[in-house]
Amino acid sequence: DADVTQTPRNRITKTGKRIMLECSQTKGHDRMYWYRQDPGLGLRLIYYSFDVKDINKGEISDGYSVSRQAQAKFSLSLESAIPNQTALYFCATSDLLGTGGEIGQFFGPGTRLTVL
Amino acid sequence: SQQGEEDPQALSIQEGENATMNCSYKTSINNLQWYRQNSGRGLVHLILIRSNEREKHSGRLRVTLDTSKKSSSLLITASRAADTASYFCATDVGGGSNYKLTFGKGTLLTVNP
Repeated sequence: DADVTQTPRNRITKTGKRIMLECSQTKGHDRMYWYRQDPGLGLRLIYYSFDVKDINKGEISDGYSVSRQAQAKFSLSLESAIPNQTALYFCATSDLLGTGGEIGQFFGPGTRLTVL
Repeated sequence: SQQGEEDPQALSIQEGENATMNCSYKTSINNLQWYRQNSGRGLVHLILIRSNEREKHSGRLRVTLDTSKKSSSLLITASRAADTASYFCATDVGGGSNYKLTFGKGTLLTVNP
């Protein structure tokens, strides 16, 4: 079984709809992240969470919200979807190196979201 | 330039040749990481090099880090068609709540059979 799973894998929705993307992990990591990827722009960080009680905004959090329901679950919501939120969304997990910094991030397979 | 910028944007080589990709960054880092992404898939972590390391190897991958020039290179030796993918560098900066991993825009590597 995959260590980091995302649901749904594909979603087409209409402008103004509320959408939730879910992420689950079995790696036991404390840290979880949501990114979006757009052609030519690389990955941009939306939100991140270092533990269940810790939520932080990334560089492009406007229009998004998150919920860390448990160590293993981190969901991303678009309260009122708009067309420029059409993108590939990735969840990732990580943990700390003993000597500082992270061990590297482990990514889910992605959710392709299209907002019409 | 942004923190973590790969060069070239695209690279096309023949199977068996070596591929070299470069990454430049702007601020001090804890470590630098390289990831691979096959088309439409999630990123896969390849290798991490810490700021006090200069070179690291993993199989056919060789990564160098020059903190004085704020640059890193990824060398893939004896490339295979299966190495065709986008490669991203990511810089690990800050700490605690200021932690941040910033990705570049990637190098698209095509290995022709």
